[in-house]
Amino acid sequence: EVQLLESGGGLVQPGGSLRLSCAASGFTFSSFAMGWVRQAPGKGLEWVSGISGSGDSTYYADSAKGRFAISRDKSKSTLYLEMKSLRAEDTAIYYCAKDSHYGISNPRFDYWGQGTLVSVSS
Amino acid sequence: DIQMTQSPSSLSASVGDRVTITCRASQNIYSHLNWYQQKPGKAPKLLIYAASVLESGVPSRFSGSGSGTDFTLTISSLQPEDFATYYCQSSYSSGTFGQGTKVDIK
Repeated sequence: EVQLLESGGGLVQPGGSLRLSCAASGFTFSSFAMGWVRQAPGKGLEWVSGISGSGDSTYYADSAKGRFAISRDKSKSTLYLEMKSLRAEDTAIYYCAKDSHYGISNPRFDYWGQGTLVSVSS
Repeated sequence: DIQMTQSPSSLSASVGDRVTITCRASQNIYSHLNWYQQKPGKAPKLLIYAASVLESGVPSRFSGSGSGTDFTLTISSLQPEDFATYYCQSSYSSGTFGQGTKVDIK
């Protein structure tokens, strides 16, 4: 059974940093791309970042470029999202999602975690 | 960037109704289109990919069609568990989601 368990969310001040983690199990982690999708309170979905199965290719939404960094650890089957220079508009539930593909060119998320809430406020 | 526009933004329907949701892309995305269902407080669930392919385990009352820029999600006979918000997503290039369509009880 595929399981994705996010952690690391919380309350942070504007300009602060946070690292999200997603522990994956139930599938061969290195064979699939992974992504982070966020949802601001009462709003729609935004694909924030993605990483290929090997980790060689990454994607960032314009809203994340230069501030967020995605990475993965094959030995721990864990996905990360390092976020810095956080803004109020980054407040959202952050979902970890497994892609159906190895690459990030055609995102299709077939499994999702339960999400972790990031709140940016002073 | 590709923009995805769904219509309507919300609709009210009764159990047993046929429901159609439209998604329009700002440029040709061929058949690279996914549909998700999200219930309150839950993560999204993949329903359909490649515009018309039903994800494993999804009831056959859900169907998708279209190609190029215009796509449709149809629920042939709405069930109580189908009241939710539905999102389309381009899987061509940017992975952009539509703004969502909320289906609630009439």
